[in-house]
Amino acid sequence: GQNIDQPTEMTATEGAIVQINCTYQTSGFNGLFWYQQHAGEAPTFLSYNVLDGLEEKGRFSSFLSRSKGYSYLLLKELQMKDSASYLCAVLSGNTGKLIFGQGTTLQVKP
Amino acid sequence: DAGVTQSPTHLIKTRGQQVTLRCSPKSGHDTVSWYQQALGQGPQFIFQYYEEEERQRGNFPDRFSGHQFPNYSSELNVNALLLGDSALYLCASSLMASGEVTGELFFGEGSRLTVL
Repeated sequence: GQNIDQPTEMTATEGAIVQINCTYQTSGFNGLFWYQQHAGEAPTFLSYNVLDGLEEKGRFSSFLSRSKGYSYLLLKELQMKDSASYLCAVLSGNTGKLIFGQGTTLQVKP
Repeated sequence: DAGVTQSPTHLIKTRGQQVTLRCSPKSGHDTVSWYQQALGQGPQFIFQYYEEEERQRGNFPDRFSGHQFPNYSSELNVNALLLGDSALYLCASSLMASGEVTGELFFGEGSRLTVL
């Protein structure tokens, strides 16, 4: 079956660091995406991991361990505008079909 | 460079009606995928169109159908609407080469459908 798990909600403080975890069990794997989605808006691309290891992009980093079926998104120097839903998605096969987790709603407090 | 555009942005229908949603992919992209996102959930894959054919389909009933036109734009049709069809419908475009998606998937802003 296809299963992607991530926490439903997280709360963090402005300026802090937060790590959002994602575990997956899918029949095919061609990479893992993280998307940010503000309420009422479309998902916007944050990162893509296909090989094990850490990918860093500014305040955002993403890690992948294919053997463990595990990824995390690390957000540093949190800002109020980072309050959003963060979606973990696995690329199943090579034809662009994304399997999404339910999303993690992050609330950043002053 | 226009990104993915969807229309309408919002619409309200009643049970039993039919709806058509439209998507124009990002310039240079030839593949369109449709997703349904219920409130508080992640998007669920409906189907994908490439070369004017449905290439993949998720676990959705036949009430959900689609079409892709020669200019790569696409339509999603839903017949006999149910209350549970209320959701944000997202279109994602990408570029296919040798049967594989290359590069990033870009999402449109979505069409929010409310069924009363």
